[in-house]
Amino acid sequence: EADIYQTPRYLVIGTGKKITLECSQTMGHDKMYWYQQDPGMELHLIHYSYGVNSTEKGDLSSESTVSRIRTEHFPLTLESARPSHTSQYLCASSEGPEQYFGPGTRLTVT
Amino acid sequence: ELKVEQNPLFLSMQEGKNYTIYCNYSTTSDRLYWYRQDPGKSLESLFVLLSNGAVKQEGRLMASLDTKARLSTLHITAAVHDLSATYFCAVDEDGNKLVFGAGTILRVKS
Repeated sequence: EADIYQTPRYLVIGTGKKITLECSQTMGHDKMYWYQQDPGMELHLIHYSYGVNSTEKGDLSSESTVSRIRTEHFPLTLESARPSHTSQYLCASSEGPEQYFGPGTRLTVT
Repeated sequence: ELKVEQNPLFLSMQEGKNYTIYCNYSTTSDRLYWYRQDPGKSLESLFVLLSNGAVKQEGRLMASLDTKARLSTLHITAAVHDLSATYFCAVDEDGNKLVFGAGTILRVKS
């Protein structure tokens, strides 16, 4: 089972602020993902990475950016937060077919 | 574009009863996943189905996959209150890119 961590768990921030959501995993998985989930709704893939220096946009358009400088670390950045970014952000990683999810970051932009 | 449909979206059932949640998807795939999500929590992996005819069981839950019909089922036997949660199916679109269904909210009443 993967150990995957996300910080912060909860964040309330004002419009226009820059924020970075952290995601780390200790299993050495090459593949990592970011999903966005509105309350009571399905998850949408917004970014993924198949390894160091590899990042791709997912199916849902997002104003966020990601980087993958180290295998274990996959941070997501919002340059200028807006109320429409209010959501839960879930990070996941995988080596084989199964994805393991972190605890999530619940973001509220006021 | 891969579409994943779950039904029902909401299920209220009595303890001790049996029921089935259905997951249909629109394009060929032989990798399907079932996840459980408790309110405000992350996703917990329940089943990984990797071939046509795959059947897996864990406690009161049993999942199956028919890739020819593009259908997976999650069968609940003799429901108990602890099974109350939201259940998501997800289909592997292309090398671990998951497309999620809308989720089925299950409420088990005593």
